[in-house]
Amino acid sequence: QSALTQPASVSGSPGQSITISCTGTSSDVGSYNLVSWFQQNLGKVPKLMIYEGSKRPSGVSNRFSGSKSGNTASLTISGLQAEDEADYYCCSYAGSSTRVFGGGTKLTVL
Amino acid sequence: QVQLVQSGAEVKKPGASVKVSCKASGYTFTSYDINWVRQATGQGLEWMGWMNPNSGNTGYAQKFQGRVTMTRNTSISTAYMELSSLRSEDTAVYYCASSGFDFWGQGTMVTVSS
Repeated sequence: QSALTQPASVSGSPGQSITISCTGTSSDVGSYNLVSWFQQNLGKVPKLMIYEGSKRPSGVSNRFSGSKSGNTASLTISGLQAEDEADYYCCSYAGSSTRVFGGGTKLTVL
Repeated sequence: QVQLVQSGAEVKKPGASVKVSCKASGYTFTSYDINWVRQATGQGLEWMGWMNPNSGNTGYAQKFQGRVTMTRNTSISTAYMELSSLRSEDTAVYYCASSGFDFWGQGTMVTVSS
């Protein structure tokens, strides 16, 4: 159960789009459409932004979207806003009722 | 509304055990699994395991097998996570979360220090 691989940091200017990748294996990301994405501000509880790969919970902006290709899932944030600056984590189902998180990505809005 | 309320901060010595509680309200406790996730200071999220409050069935991450026990008391809608043989590396905030990770407890800081 190795952690999923995310870039340590990404950045973008307001109004731009950014994409955060989350690379796993054929045992987790590649086998299931069950990747979730979380936003976490410093000292706060994680917030679910995307579930089942591309679905948005009620109340989450449609600027956030999720996708998957092979063993890599991606979170795209369009129309970047200052309030999007946070840490982002992916999490995948990994079989046998287990889950695995990514190492996290720090998003900086320039 | 759904709420998960966790017990307060703990300070433990190396080798001791800690038991964190997570009280659920706003839904039928036995209907949804509970996950446990931890986060060391400045580090990422780490999934520890899950429990089905109805059956009591559990599943643990390999890393914690043999050291973690997840239980529940359905009469008070409360889930528990007990971690034994504590070491300094276990110092972290421990969270309970709903089955879909859409609801989280506020976190419980566990500090392991001699």
